[in-house]
Amino acid sequence: DVKVTQSSRYLVKRTGEKVFLECVQDMDHENMFWYRQDPGLGLRLIYFSYDVKMKEKGDIPEGYSVSREKKERFSLILESASTNQTSMYLCASINRGLGNYGYTFGSGTRLTVV
Amino acid sequence: AQSVSQHNHHVILSEAASLELGCNYSYGGTVNLFWYVQYPGQHLQLLLKYFSGDPLVKGIKGFEAEFIKSKFSFNLRKPSVQWSDTAEYFCAVNAENTGFQKLVFGTGTRLLVSP
Repeated sequence: DVKVTQSSRYLVKRTGEKVFLECVQDMDHENMFWYRQDPGLGLRLIYFSYDVKMKEKGDIPEGYSVSREKKERFSLILESASTNQTSMYLCASINRGLGNYGYTFGSGTRLTVV
Repeated sequence: AQSVSQHNHHVILSEAASLELGCNYSYGGTVNLFWYVQYPGQHLQLLLKYFSGDPLVKGIKGFEAEFIKSKFSFNLRKPSVQWSDTAEYFCAVNAENTGFQKLVFGTGTRLLVSP
């Protein structure tokens, strides 16, 4: 069974901390994505990557950065966490042809910044 | 820019009632369309998708959706809902010329089915 694994299910961090959210996929997918999910706002794209060391800004990149040193791993970084970054963060991956399945999502990381 | 609208934010139904959730998108070119479902405490799962061909697509658990190009719509339907359908439903669109297979999501519809 294919998987997208997010390292933490719940995280609590303090304002100003540097936060790393990790995502690993075992499907050899080229494209990986980070979304945040907020009630009433749906899913909004933060950053995505279409290859190792390549990244593109999504719709709400401010306050975030990403790293993709290996094909299977895509990290989301909050340089200095703020309370408005409290949210559910979802990682997803897809092979380049879209295929028959659309995205595969991880189970999410619920981040609380206090 | 693409956008996706889900007009029903909250829907409450009794078991066996029929369901229709609206989804409209704003892109005029070729699109791929998806419905995802998120059950309480679980991750997003693909319910059904439309790429081309028959505009009436069938998905898992008795759901179906109809693509109406002239109306820029992709509404989700189920003839008879069950309590287990309680979940949040997201419509998503990928415009083929944007590259990188970005999906733009609607804001979601929370469905509560009472037994």
